[in-house]
Amino acid sequence: GDSVTQMEGPVTLSEEAFLTINCTYTATGYPSLFWYVQYPGEGLQLLLKATKADDKGSNKGFEATYRKETTSFHLEKGSVQVSDSAVYFCALTPNRDDKIIFGKGTRLHILP
Amino acid sequence: SAVISQKPSRDICQRGTSLTIQCQVDSQVTMMFWYRQQPGQSLTLIATANQGSEATYESGFVIDKFPISRPNLTFSTLTVSNMSPEDSSIYLCSVEVLGLASYNEQFFGPGTRLTVL
Repeated sequence: GDSVTQMEGPVTLSEEAFLTINCTYTATGYPSLFWYVQYPGEGLQLLLKATKADDKGSNKGFEATYRKETTSFHLEKGSVQVSDSAVYFCALTPNRDDKIIFGKGTRLHILP
Repeated sequence: SAVISQKPSRDICQRGTSLTIQCQVDSQVTMMFWYRQQPGQSLTLIATANQGSEATYESGFVIDKFPISRPNLTFSTLTVSNMSPEDSSIYLCSVEVLGLASYNEQFFGPGTRLTVL
């Protein structure tokens, strides 16, 4: 079945470091891909999305490119801030299906 | 977009009791969902709450354990019945909002953290 695998955390970085959180997926058809973020004490928020191969989603300095050949959607940011500390979830929706399938989440700690 | 509130935000309950979680949305939405996030695990869809009819449950979840109500387009409840420590999780409500792109975006509530002793 469809699934999402993302790197385990926690990931601890210093402020202004480069961030990569790996995400790979297994899906039939042509899924849409998402990154959600959950800040402490808050609900999940959509961070960025990509709906077809080679699309690049971006928001708040974060980027992820839909790579069909490697079935990946890695999250990157060039210079992280303390305020980026949160749990990040990679997710997909199967083609024309409302169900979201989530990865296990990666907790990110940014040290000042 | 949609703003979602959940009550309670957290609770500690005794084994064998039941807890009802409320989800309120600030606008009318067609689709509402309930998810469970067990410690160290990803979010798992429990069911789709259908307005005016019985909820649609995912494999592994049954109505007797997780009864759901959806009396209107802005409100839903999830009850966790006859609780055991294995039910300790974060329970999240989400709604789907029609989007301009080829998919519809889901918005999530802040979650209800349940601990069963």
